[in-house]
Amino acid sequence: SQKIEQNSEALNIQEGKTATLTCNYTNYSPAYLQWYRQDPGRGPVFLLLIRENEKEKRKERLKVTFDTTLKQSLFHITASQPADSATYLCALTNSGYSTLTFGKGTMLLVSP
Amino acid sequence: KAGVTQTPRYLIKTRGQQVTLSCSPISGHRSVSWYQQTPGQGLQFLFEYFSETQRNKGNFPGRFSGRQFSNSRSEMNVSTLELGDSALYLCASSSNRGPTDTQYFGPGTRLTVL
Repeated sequence: SQKIEQNSEALNIQEGKTATLTCNYTNYSPAYLQWYRQDPGRGPVFLLLIRENEKEKRKERLKVTFDTTLKQSLFHITASQPADSATYLCALTNSGYSTLTFGKGTMLLVSP
Repeated sequence: KAGVTQTPRYLIKTRGQQVTLSCSPISGHRSVSWYQQTPGQGLQFLFEYFSETQRNKGNFPGRFSGRQFSNSRSEMNVSTLELGDSALYLCASSSNRGPTDTQYFGPGTRLTVL
């Protein structure tokens, strides 16, 4: 069955460092991969989308890579800030009007 | 533009009861998806409605149902509640549920089943 794995342990880093989060998937050939941010008590907020034929996508301090051979996406936040502390979710989808399949998310804690 | 709203925000029910949750999408959005979020299973897709028709359905029992109205507002219903139905129920809207569309999530309804 389709499986998406994100590191279940919280990632603790210091302010100013680069945070790198991992999303691995199996038994799936997604056409698109998305990253969302979720704060406690709130719904997820869309951050970035990357297509299967794109290797890398950037948006301000955020960078996403998508390696369909390794079946892995990496999500980077450069110059991290305490305000970046949240849970980050990756989600996969195929082409067409298909559903989003989410990973369970990784909590990021950025300390001052 | 107002965001996605969900009512109620919190709900406490007992086993065997039924519950109805409501979702108002962003104005102009015709697609509404529902998700269940629990610590153990994460975010799981329930169903998606587009123009009053269920377009996709997740792997949940028939006790979970939904509908969409002509103004795109959506409701989901859970009958014969079980303890395991305690979760955060999220709805998300998009302009037209294609794979590159951004999904905008509401704040969720926290359901507790006692």
